[in-house]
Amino acid sequence: DTEVTQTPKHLVMGMTNKKSLKCEQHMGHRAMYWYKQKAKKPPELMFVYSYEKLSINESVPSRFSPECPNSSLLNLHLHALQPEDSALYLCASSQQSGGAGKNIQYFGAGTRLSVL
Amino acid sequence: AQSVTQLGSHVSVSEGALVLLRCNYSSSVPPYLFWYVQYPNQGLQLLLKYTSAATLVKGINGFEAEFKKSETSFHLTKPSAHMSDAAEYFCAVIGWTGNQFYFGTGTSLTVIP
Repeated sequence: DTEVTQTPKHLVMGMTNKKSLKCEQHMGHRAMYWYKQKAKKPPELMFVYSYEKLSINESVPSRFSPECPNSSLLNLHLHALQPEDSALYLCASSQQSGGAGKNIQYFGAGTRLSVL
Repeated sequence: AQSVTQLGSHVSVSEGALVLLRCNYSSSVPPYLFWYVQYPNQGLQLLLKYTSAATLVKGINGFEAEFKKSETSFHLTKPSAHMSDAAEYFCAVIGWTGNQFYFGTGTSLTVIP
């Protein structure tokens, strides 16, 4: 089973709203990732959690707040977003151990976010 | 530092024709390379990976890729295109830490009936 589950699939929010994206995996992976993807572009890395600790923050604005409550769950809290934040948000997970060659990332289907 | 370059942002092939999507890598160390496919409104699905074992790698859906160190290439091929192959394809290389993937800019494959 290589499934990463993201909810919701679609989200529409106003610029003053607070919402959260959820990601879940049960593969025993210890690294989890958030990416932002604009249409026809590659995914852009936002955050990396390694063993439930934030290890990489790619200078993401503070209106995006990640959280890793446990090794299976990853959240992305959204507040005061801008219309340009509209995108597909992808979650991924990887094994984290066994060397870089074994650290394949498995992606969820994404949350399509529209900010009005 | 690691990076990949995908030549051709759009490729069109006729159904049944050979598919060739190009990827060149830059790496100061032996690279670990991947091809992902993204169908419309979906996430990325791993097609195949090169992790320093066999240089010819077979993946899902009839795709394969050959690692050529002398050419720093990892091109994706499929002998006969199917309509269902129409999608966006991303080549990626993994960084030293194993936590960062560096994606190419993607190639959109169109299959003409």
